[in-house]
Amino acid sequence: DTAVSQTPKYLVTQMGNDKSIKCEQNLGHDTMYWYKQDSKKFLKIMFSYNNKELIINETVPNRFSPKSPDKAHLNLHINSLELGDSAVYFCASSPGTGNTDTQYFGPGTRLTVL
Amino acid sequence: AQSVAQPEDQVNVAEGNPLTVKCTYSVSGNPYLFWYVQYPNRGLQFLLKYITGDNLVKGSYGFEAEFNKSQTSFHLKKPSALVSDSALYFCAVRDPYSGAGSYQLTFGKGTKLSVIP
Repeated sequence: DTAVSQTPKYLVTQMGNDKSIKCEQNLGHDTMYWYKQDSKKFLKIMFSYNNKELIINETVPNRFSPKSPDKAHLNLHINSLELGDSAVYFCASSPGTGNTDTQYFGPGTRLTVL
Repeated sequence: AQSVAQPEDQVNVAEGNPLTVKCTYSVSGNPYLFWYVQYPNRGLQFLLKYITGDNLVKGSYGFEAEFNKSQTSFHLKKPSALVSDSALYFCAVRDPYSGAGSYQLTFGKGTKLSVIP
C-alpha cells in the first residue's frame, strides 16, 4: 500500500546541481510535511503545508523550496546542492493540523551529494 | 520549547524477554506523545499515541506505552520481544499549548533495539 509515496527513492548528484523530490499522498489528508534525517538518524521538520499553504518553515536554507500544487502533493526543490545536504528526506501527511493528528510517513529519499 | 529525550542509543534484549525503550519529555503543558518505528531503509511507521485518558496506551504489533506525568516519561514496552522487533524507535512530542508550534512534532534521537535470538 502506497499511502504516502516519494520519488525517487535514491538520488545521487554532484555539488551545485538542482534537484527535486516529489511526494504524493492518497489518504485525503490536508497537511503534508518534509523532514530531514541526518547520518545520525536525527529527524527534523523542515516544512509543513496545510491545504497548499505554508504553515511551518523551520530554519532551512532558502536553497530549499517546497511547492504544493494541490493538497495531495508536496514537492521539494533544492538549488545549488551542497555536501551537507546529503541525508534521507521524508515526506509525511496528517489529516489536518489538529494537535492529536497522527503523521504518516513516506519511504524516504536518500540524497547523496558528491 | 518542547523536547524529548531518549537516553539509550541502543537496547539489547533476548527474544522472548520483555523490552522497554525509554522516553522522557519536556513541554509547558500536557503533552501529546507518539511512538514510531523505523525498519532499515524504510520510513517511519506509527505505533501508538497518548492524547488523554488511560495512562497505558496499546498500539500496533503488541506494543504498549505508559504515560507517567510525574516522571515526564512515556516508555515503550512489549511483554515478549521478537527478533522482527529489531529496528530504530522514535519517541515524539507535541505541545498543544505552544501556540503556532502546537502542531509541530518534535522527535527524539532514536533508540536502536536489537532482539537477540
